[in-house]
Amino acid sequence: DVKVTQSSRYLVKRTGEKVFLECVQDMDHENMFWYRQDPGLGLRLIYFSYDVKMKEKGDIPEGYSVSREKKERFSLILESASTNQTSMYLCASSPLVAGEEETQYFGPGTRLLVL
Amino acid sequence: SQQGEEDPQALSIQEGENATMNCSYKTSINNLQWYRQNSGRGLVHLILIRSNEREKHSGRLRVTLDTSKKSSSLLITASRAADTASYFCATLALGFQKLVFGTGTRLLVSP
Repeated sequence: DVKVTQSSRYLVKRTGEKVFLECVQDMDHENMFWYRQDPGLGLRLIYFSYDVKMKEKGDIPEGYSVSREKKERFSLILESASTNQTSMYLCASSPLVAGEEETQYFGPGTRLLVL
Repeated sequence: SQQGEEDPQALSIQEGENATMNCSYKTSINNLQWYRQNSGRGLVHLILIRSNEREKHSGRLRVTLDTSKKSSSLLITASRAADTASYFCATLALGFQKLVFGTGTRLLVSP
């Protein structure tokens, strides 16, 4: 069964802390994505990656960085957490091949609170 | 912003009734997808419809696509309490590999 896992369901951090959110997929997918979800704004793409060590900025990359050292793992890094980064963070993966596989598979989400 | 919009933002119905939600988008697309999100969880893919298709069915789900109006609708027939969730449309624009999600419709199905 397809599986995307995220390192934490809930996380509480202090302003200025460095925060790591990890995502692992077991489907050998090439593409991986990080979104944040806020009420009334839907899902917004932060970063995505098409391959190991490749990364592309999404719509709201400011204040975030990513790392993809292995195909199955995609990390989102908040270099210095701020209160406006309090949000639900969702990781997703999809295969590179066009077709029905264009759908994305999501992890359960990490709800981050920055105090 | 390329973001799509769902309408209505919230919908409340009784079990057994049909639920219809709509999605409008702004650019030419390769395909349009619908996802469901149960409270506080990740999204689950429901159905994909390609730009050259007008209607698609999957179980109790029926999706239509009107590319001339840049709109889609999702119909859930004979709703159940377990259908209570938020529903999002997402479009894959021509020439792009990233989905653009709408803002979602919150559906409440009461027993």
